[in-house]
Amino acid sequence: AQKVTQAQTEISVVEKEDVTLDCVYETRDTTYYLFWYKQPPSGELVFLIRRNSFDEQNEISGRYSWNFQKSTSSFNFTITASQVVDSAVYFCALNKGGGSEKLVFGKGTKLTVNP
Amino acid sequence: EPEVTQTPSHQVTQMGQEVILRCVPISNHLYFYWYRQILGQKVEFLVSFYNNEISEKSEIFDDQFSVERPDGSNFTLKIRSTKLEDSAMYFCASSVRGRGDEQYFGPGTRLTVT
Repeated sequence: AQKVTQAQTEISVVEKEDVTLDCVYETRDTTYYLFWYKQPPSGELVFLIRRNSFDEQNEISGRYSWNFQKSTSSFNFTITASQVVDSAVYFCALNKGGGSEKLVFGKGTKLTVNP
Repeated sequence: EPEVTQTPSHQVTQMGQEVILRCVPISNHLYFYWYRQILGQKVEFLVSFYNNEISEKSEIFDDQFSVERPDGSNFTLKIRSTKLEDSAMYFCASSVRGRGDEQYFGPGTRLTVT
């Protein structure tokens, strides 16, 4: 069975601090896909990034970066120089591939960035 | 930028009533999904739909639930006889391809069962 663990329930930082959101996943599949979604206070789910299990290259997009490490089954998300608009719940999700389309979500990490 | 839309944004219904939640997926997408999120909890998969049939469903998706694509644009979730525990935010999503593809979510319908 697939499982995603986001151990940090809530994180609070001051603007301009860097913050890392942890995600640990479990799957027996060799091909799988990992995602991060943002849920701002307005409630919608916004897609941020997708990674497949064969691509361990880290990715940077502006102030966002992602660190994928198969050896530790982790897919961590770092926000550099956080801003108040980054305040949201962030979900890590896993798709096991192999004919399944469903996303298995972690419980989310609520990030509050204070001015 | 194309987006998934959902109506209504909020639905209040009495226990035992039928509700239909509506979604318009992104037009060139071929795979459609419903998820739900009970308040303050994680997002849970309900069902995926491709080529006019259910391709996968979770244990939550029992006989009380059904999905339909009645025309070329709408995708609906019907709950036949609502229960208090069906109160949740229901998200529709769509993707171009199936497994591994990024799914784009609508804004959600908040269902309140009283």
